[in-house]
Amino acid sequence: DVKVTQSSRYLVKRTGEKVFLECVQDMDHENMFWYRQDPGLGLRLIYFSYDVKMKEKGDIPEGYSVSREKKERFSLILESASTNQTSMYLCAEAGGHQETQYFGPGTRLLVL
Amino acid sequence: SQKIEQNSEALNIQEGKTATLTCNYTNYSPAYLQWYRQDPGRGPVFLLLIRENEKEKRKERLKVTFDTTLKQSLFHITASQPADSATYLCALYGGATNKLIFGTGTLLAVQP
Repeated sequence: DVKVTQSSRYLVKRTGEKVFLECVQDMDHENMFWYRQDPGLGLRLIYFSYDVKMKEKGDIPEGYSVSREKKERFSLILESASTNQTSMYLCAEAGGHQETQYFGPGTRLLVL
Repeated sequence: SQKIEQNSEALNIQEGKTATLTCNYTNYSPAYLQWYRQDPGRGPVFLLLIRENEKEKRKERLKVTFDTTLKQSLFHITASQPADSATYLCALYGGATNKLIFGTGTLLAVQP
């Protein structure tokens, strides 16, 4: 079975803090993604990566950065957290051609 | 602009009936379409994929149709059970964008 793990299920941070969200996959797949999910807006793509050290901006990259130093790990970084970044963050991975995506359990982030 | 529409209102049906969920899209030419299930507080789980040259796909009690002329996919769950209660997301891949684009989902509630 595919396994995607995320470092935290719930996180509370203060405005201005630097926040790291970690995602690890065990399938040796190339493609990894970070989404945020908000009521009424659905899943929105923040960044994705199709190989180690490669990254591509998604639809809403502002205020975020990512790191992919190893194939199995894809990190999302909030350089200076703001209240409008309070959301559910979901990591996903996929094999070639980005077909079926396998999601982690999500991290619910609250920025105060 | 590109748009995916799923019925934002919850669908309430009686156990044993067939649930039918709709996904409409505009300004897309998707290579394929996927359906995911999402339970509260958890990441989406892949259910079915249907390609643009396929009309119908089945898996156990699930059936998906894809009409590229109407720009619509229908997702059916036959003999529905309370355990089928969840939010169902459709997602499209292909066309001008090389990403998977998700709809906002429809909440299905199956009453015993």
